[in-house]
Order: sequence, then structure tokens, then C-alpha cells
Amino acid sequence: QKEVEQNSGPLSVPEGAIASLNCTYSDRGSQSFFWYRQYSGKSPELIMFIYSNGDKEDGRFTAQLNKASQYVSLLIRDSQPSDSATYLCAVRGNNRKLIWGLGTSLAVNP
Amino acid sequence: DGGITQSPKYLFRKEGQNVTLSCEQNLNHDAMYWYRQDPGQGLRLIYYSQIVNDFQKGDIAEGYSVSREKKESFPLTVTSAQKNPTAFYLCASSSSGDSNQPQHFGDGTRLSIL
Repeated sequence: QKEVEQNSGPLSVPEGAIASLNCTYSDRGSQSFFWYRQYSGKSPELIMFIYSNGDKEDGRFTAQLNKASQYVSLLIRDSQPSDSATYLCAVRGNNRKLIWGLGTSLAVNP
Repeated sequence: DGGITQSPKYLFRKEGQNVTLSCEQNLNHDAMYWYRQDPGQGLRLIYYSQIVNDFQKGDIAEGYSVSREKKESFPLTVTSAQKNPTAFYLCASSSSGDSNQPQHFGDGTRLSIL
């Protein structure tokens, strides 16, 4: 069974700090990697996606992919209280099926 | 405004009743998906469709049915055979089911049993 694992948290960071969210996956043939943000009671919202090893930056968000170690991270710089949410990692494997992690709860404290 | 519209926002089902959840997209996406989300569990795929008039079962299709008669519409019927239907139902779409393009979600429908 292909898996995507995330620390459930809660991860608590002070306002203005860097929040680091991690995701590991078991399918070595995985091809694309997605981060979604989900506020309580709302639907998931796409934040970033990454296909190649290395870093991809978009505003305050940076996705980092290391295929050799089978992990993908999301860094949130200058964290704001509005970033408090659950962050879902999703990985598309070799069979093109999207596997979802259970999410990491992030709390940014003012 | 392009997007995915799910309706209704809240739905209540009586014992033995079938209910249909609507999902419409105007993004011109080929692929559409239905997920179920329960507290403490990840997103679970119910059905997906990569093209009009074609759809495949996901991981938890029992007790559900779908149709894809139009590109923009992918309704989900929760049948009376689904014994535990209370959940948050999410519809998503992507430009192509075969590509690495991300999925985008509607606002969801919360289904409860009366």
C-alpha cells in the first residue's frame, strides 16, 4: 500500500517565524507533489506543486523536494495567524493515483 | 469567474433515501473527482472521470453512483446502500486526468443523516 505520511501536529510557531511542514512518501516512482491548505470546515486550497528535485518558491511559501530521501517539505516564511490551518500533502505515484496524507495542523500564535 | 460549484452546501438524508450532490465546473477541465472526508481521516476517492461518458471507481465506491453526461457536470448519488453517509463530500477537477496537473476543489457538501 503506497503511503504518504505527515506529522499530525499541532505544530505551533510564533508570528513572524518560519513554519516547516514535512511529508514522506513510500512510492519511489512518485512524479508530482502537491501542498494544500485546509481551514477548519472548508475545502482544500492548492498552495504549491513541485515536480523536480530542489526548491520552488512562491511568495512566502517554498516547497522542497528530495526524491532520493523521499520527502517533500513546505516552508512558510513570516508566518501569520491567518496561516493557521491544516496542510495536506498529496503525492501522485507511478500509477498516476493521487495519495493523500492526513495533514499537519499548524497554529501561528500572535 | 471560473470555478467549481457544489450544491447544496448542507444536505440531510432520511433512512432508505437516495440523495444527489451536484458538482459543476466552468474551467473546461476534462477530469473530475469525488472525495469523501471524515474527521481524522484523509481524503478518500469515491469515483473519478477522465472524460465525458466515462468514469471509474475509486477506493470506496460501494453505495455511491455517478454520471458524466456533460463535461462540466459530475453529480454524485449517495444511495440507501451507503450505511454511513455522514461526511464532508468534495468535488474536484483537473485539466487532464493523465497529466500531473493539480486538482482544484469546490466548497464541499456536508451530508448528515436525519
